[in-house]
Amino acid sequence: GAVVSQHPSWVICKSGTSVKIECRSLDFQATTMFWYRQFPKQSLMLMATSNEGSKATYEQGVEKDKFLINHASLTLSTLTVTSAHPEDSSFYICSARDLAGRYEQYFGPGTRLTVT
Amino acid sequence: AQSVTQPDIHITVSEGASLELRCNYSYGATPYLFWYVQSPGQGLQLLLKYFSGDTLVQGIKGFEAEFKRSQSSFNLRKPSVHWSDAAEYFCAVAAGGSNYQLIWGAGTKLIIKP
Repeated sequence: GAVVSQHPSWVICKSGTSVKIECRSLDFQATTMFWYRQFPKQSLMLMATSNEGSKATYEQGVEKDKFLINHASLTLSTLTVTSAHPEDSSFYICSARDLAGRYEQYFGPGTRLTVT
Repeated sequence: AQSVTQPDIHITVSEGASLELRCNYSYGATPYLFWYVQSPGQGLQLLLKYFSGDTLVQGIKGFEAEFKRSQSSFNLRKPSVHWSDAAEYFCAVAAGGSNYQLIWGAGTKLIIKP
């Protein structure tokens, strides 16, 4: 159990376009979802935390107008990178915490975004 | 402020040898501690976690970790590594608050020598 999927697994887009990444909890309801960014050979950087039905809370330095997060249901959160630029190229990972209130997060496989 | 330190950026171990990956944390209250593994190009998989109780916790793939409050440590061990254990290992602590965000260490890359 506790499976989180992400789609797409990789995407290439042109500079100036927007791209949407989906994160789904497949077999549990996620009260909270987290979005991370991971640069090569580095640790995870938390971008934002979203609770179903609420606005996301962004970490300091993360542009909320650039990285739009929607958590419309207990099983789906989306991250939209708007007007993407090459510096937005990265590995984006989502995770989810379930309704049972346990503290561990279940991670999606990640999305590799390349902006050309 | 809460923090997690993994002092070793990378470690090289011969296949069949024992392994210990170090993790130190700074957290005021009782910590909830985790070890995750990330294989190349893959997402993170939970190896084990400590919430309370027995300070020696067993995880998947033959890993174990010991919580030592006096040393603020949560080191990961495996008695005999396999080539498939080559990966990046991350230690994390749950920061508390309503969302229990994770505070991450920088990671340790494990390299296995044949």
